[in-house]
Amino acid sequence: GNSVTQMEGPVTLSEEAFLTINCTYTATGYPSLFWYVQYPGEGLQLLLKATKADDKGSNKGFEATYRKETTSFHLEKGSVQVSDSAVYFCALRGIQGAQKLVFGQGTRLTINP
Amino acid sequence: NAGVTQTPKFQVLKTGQSMTLQCAQDMNHNSMYWYRQDPGMGLRLIYYSASEGTTDKGEVPNGYNVSRLNKREFSLRLESAAPSQTSVYFCASSDTNARVSFYGYTFGSGTRLTVV
Repeated sequence: GNSVTQMEGPVTLSEEAFLTINCTYTATGYPSLFWYVQYPGEGLQLLLKATKADDKGSNKGFEATYRKETTSFHLEKGSVQVSDSAVYFCALRGIQGAQKLVFGQGTRLTINP
Repeated sequence: NAGVTQTPKFQVLKTGQSMTLQCAQDMNHNSMYWYRQDPGMGLRLIYYSASEGTTDKGEVPNGYNVSRLNKREFSLRLESAAPSQTSVYFCASSDTNARVSFYGYTFGSGTRLTVV
């Protein structure tokens, strides 16, 4: 079945540092890939998405590129801010059956000033 | 504001009690979902409803039942709560109409449930 694996957290960085959160997936065909963000006490919000190989999703300074050859969708940001502190989830939607999202386990990010 | 509304936000139950978590969306989405979130395990799908009148089991359905009351509302019921059901529950909706690009899910703000 479809699955998503994220790098283990928690991740702690200083403000203005470079961020990478790794995400790899297992799925047949070409799934759609997503990053969601969850701020404290809130539900998940869609951060960015990519629907085909080599697509780059971007939003709020975050980027992720759909790499079919490495089955990866790593999240990056060049200069993080304290306000980026949150839990980040990688997810995929398969091409078969009902259009349900499968989530990774989440990565907690803390940015110190 | 348009979105997904969950009630209640917090609940404490005793083992064996029953309760229903309510969810409503006003975006005319056809599909709705219930997830639970536990530390280190991400979100796990409990039940989903691909369209009004249909419901299906997800990854962890045991101990739960659902009702898709109409297109807007999708409730989750715990018939006899157990401590293992202590979790944060999220409802979500999506528009999976084939003619519309898929923009992902819209989530509610969650219900934090503690079973003692």
